[in-house]
Amino acid sequence: GQNIDQPTEMTATEGAIVQINCTYQTSGFNGLFWYQQHAGEAPTFLSYNVLDGLEEKGRFSSFLSRSKGYSYLLLKELQMKDSASYLCAVIDSNYQLIWGAGTKLIIKP
Amino acid sequence: GAVVSQHPSWVICKSGTSVKIECRSLDFQATTMFWYRQFPKQSLMLMATSNEGSKATYEQGVEKDKFLINHASLTLSTLTVTSAHPEDSSFYICSARAGQENSPLHFGNGTRLTVT
Repeated sequence: GQNIDQPTEMTATEGAIVQINCTYQTSGFNGLFWYQQHAGEAPTFLSYNVLDGLEEKGRFSSFLSRSKGYSYLLLKELQMKDSASYLCAVIDSNYQLIWGAGTKLIIKP
Repeated sequence: GAVVSQHPSWVICKSGTSVKIECRSLDFQATTMFWYRQFPKQSLMLMATSNEGSKATYEQGVEKDKFLINHASLTLSTLTVTSAHPEDSSFYICSARAGQENSPLHFGNGTRLTVT
């Protein structure tokens, strides 16, 4: 079966750095997305990785290792508004989007 | 760019009535739109894939006669929850791609449905 694993919840301090991991086992791979979802709102797109390596976009970076079936989202200089759920999603060989359950990130002052 | 508009944002209806939710791609054409449902503290669940000009493809366990999907044009898909019951209360979100199959999904703001 297809599976995406990410931690259920993480806590970090304002101004710090946090890394949210995502591991996947899917039938084929055509890319990996990270989305941010605030409570009661729809997800918003953060990043897309299809090749190995690090993609940096401001305070957020996303890393991919296809051989390890592994990605992480790195958030720097954490702000209170970064408190949200972060969803990892993988496109499989049939171009179906497989969603992780999301990681709830709690930022403390 | 790539804005998806969903309406209404929230709706409260009585058990047994039907509710229609609209999803529009404002600045791009979407031959395919996706309808998701999300219960509190749970992940997104794909309900169906809406295809312009043809029948929707429903995920296993989703009743096609209860959740009617119409994709009438390249910019509009509608989801009608028929004979709604309290267990249908949920957060319904539509999404669409503005490009190829590996391009990101852009989501509408979601509709919070409460059935009393």
